[in-house]
Amino acid sequence: KAGVTQTPRYLIKTRGQQVTLSCSPISGHRSVSWYQQTPGQGLQFLFEYFSETQRNKGNFPGRFSGRQFSNSRSEMNVSTLELGDSALYLCASSLGQIRIPNTIYFGEGSWLTVV
Amino acid sequence: AQSVTQLDSHVSVSEGTPVLLRCNYSSSYSPSLFWYVQHPNKGLQLLLKYTSAATLVKGINGFEAEFKKSETSFHLTKPSAHMSDAAEYFCVVSQDNQGGKLIFGQGTELSVKP
Repeated sequence: KAGVTQTPRYLIKTRGQQVTLSCSPISGHRSVSWYQQTPGQGLQFLFEYFSETQRNKGNFPGRFSGRQFSNSRSEMNVSTLELGDSALYLCASSLGQIRIPNTIYFGEGSWLTVV
Repeated sequence: AQSVTQLDSHVSVSEGTPVLLRCNYSSSYSPSLFWYVQHPNKGLQLLLKYTSAATLVKGINGFEAEFKKSETSFHLTKPSAHMSDAAEYFCVVSQDNQGGKLIFGQGTELSVKP
């Protein structure tokens, strides 16, 4: 079956603009998580959505937001872009069960460059 | 609180020799532990996972990891390195009551010399 699909794969934005990234999880998966990867900070958890509700949130400013649709597809939005937002944004999907170990699968990522 | 420490930022081995990537974890609850690999300009691929079923976990491409609770370690090994193993490796912990939230180590870059 198809894996986790992220679009767009590469994009360049100007400081102050906003950006929307999209993620389609594996069929049947209800949890979608987002991570930011930078050389300096490594991989950091942004947030998780499960059944259209934000279930977990990392330590990022309010400029970072997300949502999940009824078909489990998710979008994340970054407003008022800063140079430091340049990163690889990774989406991950899983069944999202609680108190049961989940296997989490990642997409190829969206490379965002802010100039 | 959970945390993961990868003890080496860079490991270099010769092709055909064993690989050892070290990881220590800290978790207040029963953890699930994972190793992911990331090749250049790629996403993350799951190598293996520990979920309390067996302490020695076998993964893809000949990799193994052993969960040692007394040492809070989850080291990744492979008997014989291949050139294609050159990549960044991440040790990851999650709590079963935290759904899709993962805590990543800083990564170990593995170089394989011919």
